[in-house]
Amino acid sequence: AQSVAQPEDQVNVAEGNPLTVKCTYSVSGNPYLFWYVQYPNRGLQFLLKYITGDNLVKGSYGFEAEFNKSQTSFHLKKPSALVSDSALYFCAVRNQAGTALIFGKGTTLSVSS
Amino acid sequence: GAGVSQSPSNKVTEKGKDVELRCDPISGHTALYWYRQRLGQGLEFLIYFQGNSAPDKSGLPSDRFSAERTGESVSTLTIQRTQQEDSAVYLCASSFTGEWETQYFGPGTRLLVL
Repeated sequence: AQSVAQPEDQVNVAEGNPLTVKCTYSVSGNPYLFWYVQYPNRGLQFLLKYITGDNLVKGSYGFEAEFNKSQTSFHLKKPSALVSDSALYFCAVRNQAGTALIFGKGTTLSVSS
Repeated sequence: GAGVSQSPSNKVTEKGKDVELRCDPISGHTALYWYRQRLGQGLEFLIYFQGNSAPDKSGLPSDRFSAERTGESVSTLTIQRTQQEDSAVYLCASSFTGEWETQYFGPGTRLLVL
């Protein structure tokens, strides 16, 4: 069965420090992986995706993610966190039929000043 | 350009009533998706439309849920005889065709069933 796991409900980091939001996946075949961010009372905004090629993917707002096939992980990273990065982050993988995204439960990122 | 729009933004209804939610996808996007987000949880896939192909309805939770889309335009999600467990945010997304294409989400409709 295809699934996505975000093992941390919440990640706390101080402004200026690096941040990592973890994601692991289980899928047959080649994974298409995505990260989205959700601000309060708003829809999801696309951050980045991995389809193929370079394992390090760069996206919006200075975020990047590293695809690791052997560990089946796709962790989201940022070298220096901002208070404005505080939000709910979702990892997702395309389902095998290619008709939907399977989402993790989300990780709340809290950046303190 | 304009993003995905949804209406209404909020809907309060009584148990047993029918509701209809609307989604306007990004112009030119052939694929359209509906998801449900319950409080404190991730998104659950409901239904997928791609052009004139038969929709993937595998995520619809019961026969009270249905959705329509005419061509590559507006879609409506209908919930009949609403139940309290239907309370959630219903999100619509659209994308160009292709499995790797990014889905762009609307702001959602927040449904509360009393």
